[in-house]
Amino acid sequence: SQELEQSPQSLIVQEGKNLTINCTSSKTLYGLYWYKQKYGEGLIFLMMLQKGGEEKSHEKITAKLDEKKQQSSLHITASQPSHAGIYLCGAGLGTSYGKLTFGQGTILTVHP
Amino acid sequence: NAGVMQNPRHLVRRRGQEARLRCSPMKGHSHVYWYRQLPEEGLKFMVYLQKENIIDESGMPKERFSAEFPKEGPSILRIQQVVRGDSAAYFCASSPSRTSTSSGEQFFGPGTRLTVL
Repeated sequence: SQELEQSPQSLIVQEGKNLTINCTSSKTLYGLYWYKQKYGEGLIFLMMLQKGGEEKSHEKITAKLDEKKQQSSLHITASQPSHAGIYLCGAGLGTSYGKLTFGQGTILTVHP
Repeated sequence: NAGVMQNPRHLVRRRGQEARLRCSPMKGHSHVYWYRQLPEEGLKFMVYLQKENIIDESGMPKERFSAEFPKEGPSILRIQQVVRGDSAAYFCASSPSRTSTSSGEQFFGPGTRLTVL
């Protein structure tokens, strides 16, 4: 089983709709990172969350970290075709400083 | 400020040849990480380096793979005697400090897509 589980694995929404992607860890989270990847390209850093209860926003994307549940959620408000891509959560797990473990990714498709 | 640079972007090798992948971190970053993304699999950590030091190579295959980050020049991921199973996207990331609970966001390069024929 994955150390970081993302759900759903894929998501298809109509433009303008809100959506949420979840990332759950089987170990203690030491920092949680969200990235976006377009097919065939590199990863774009979105946000880093460190403390339980922390919430950060950038444009229409909001990420929260619930440290007690070892879970993070990424919420997109009023989705646009430009939001389409693969969303990856990554985390430093246990005491592994430096090394990031990633979830399997969530493929987001936004229909105009 | 240029981002993380990787070259080549695409590399084709025949079985048994060597592959050399280069990574230049962002200016001011002294920590480099290599990850591999295999088809149908997630992104997996390979190795973490600082200048002239390998800090964590727990994700590196035991044979044929090596990495270095010399005092001058880019970090190099070297794969000897490539096999078809090495075909993947290899990503390099850099951070200004050691990724920890309080700092060290990792910024990724565009990747090198290795195809082994």
